[in-house]
Order: sequence, then C-alpha cells, then structure tokens
Amino acid sequence: QKEVEQDPGPLSVPEGAIVSLNCTYSNSAFQYFMWYRQYSRKGPELLMYTYSSGNKEDGRFTAQVDKSSKYISLFIRDSQPSDSATYLCAMRAYSGAGSYQLTFGKGTKLSVIP
Amino acid sequence: TAGITQAPTSQILAAGRSMTLRCTQDMRHNAMYWYRQDLGLGLRLIHYSNTAGTTGKGEVPDGYSVSRANTDDFPLTLASAVPSQTSVYFCASSVTRDTGELFFGEGSRLTVL
Repeated sequence: QKEVEQDPGPLSVPEGAIVSLNCTYSNSAFQYFMWYRQYSRKGPELLMYTYSSGNKEDGRFTAQVDKSSKYISLFIRDSQPSDSATYLCAMRAYSGAGSYQLTFGKGTKLSVIP
Repeated sequence: TAGITQAPTSQILAAGRSMTLRCTQDMRHNAMYWYRQDLGLGLRLIHYSNTAGTTGKGEVPDGYSVSRANTDDFPLTLASAVPSQTSVYFCASSVTRDTGELFFGEGSRLTVL
C-alpha cells in the first residue's frame, strides 16, 4: 500500500458545481497537510495547508482533515473554469535526526466546463 | 519577484551526453529541492539541500548529482543521460527544510533519445 493515495481522475464538472478532491494515507506520523494546484505546463503552487484535524476555509476553498480516518479533502465551491488544473495533496512527517519526509499524492486532474 | 528560475525550459539530449539543469532562487530560502514528475508516478524527490554547502539524496538519486555552492543556486547534473531520465524536472525551495511550503519553478522538460 502506498503511503498516499489519490484518485488521478480526470474529474469533469460543470461551472458552479461543488468539487470534492480526496486523499487517503497510511502513515500516522503525517502531521502537516497541504494542497497544491498545478496548471498545465507550470510548476505546482501551494493552495492551502493545515496542521490539525477539522476544516480550514479560504474563500471558495475548504481543506478538511480527518486524522482518525487518515483522510483529507479539498472542497471547491462555485467552481470556475479557472479552477481547471491538477490538484496534488502533500503530507509531511518528521522522520528523525532533524529530517522531514514530504510525500505528494499523484494528483487529480480537474476540468470545470463553462 | 522572480522566485525560482529554471533553465533550460526544454531540451532534447542524446543518450550518453551530460546535461546540467540550472536553478536560481531570489527568496534567500535555505532549503532547495529537485523533483522529477512523470505521468502515473507523480512528483519524486531526486536530491535536496538543507542549506548552502550541504546536499542529500532523495527517493530517486541515481544518475543525478547536485551542488550547493551558495544560497541562490542549485544545479542538477546528469553525467551520462539515459532515456529513462526523460521527464519534467522541477526545482523548488522553502524557507527551511522543516516546512512543507515549497515554491516551485516552471519546470525543465527533458527528452533523452
């Protein structure tokens, strides 16, 4: 079992829909959770991050973490064509001796159709 | 602000040739990273540097080398390219190694024939 699982999609939704993107993980040591957005032929950019279980909201985006279920989600409300991108989850764990492990999901490709 | 600048943007290289991918940051970040991104495999860490003068191996370091002579520059060298090194390479930086908040460059698309 891979440490981080993310459905690659592709996911296609109509403009205005609510989008739910998800990742599951197996490593209980992950403590810091992030979502990156990557437009076609561009580098990933950090969208949201959170340390704790629960919800964190930023405009149309909500990041949700459930550590007991080892499950994280990104919700996009009122989706726009400009949200069309690949979304990568990422998780960080302390791996000892001052080192940190950052693990990325493989990404979910989202298309928002006007 | 430029952030992370990578060069070249794309390159076609004959197998067996050497190549250096350049990466420069202007954010004075301590930590820098090289990732490769392949379809179906996602982002994989090649090498990293916690601070100028130090480097470390990531998940897929074989066939690659790095150096960190100063804070701003972190070149990635392929000594003798092979077709399996065909990929998109991303350089990234973060304030320190203990954060997951990475800033990525635009990528270098390398094809090895």
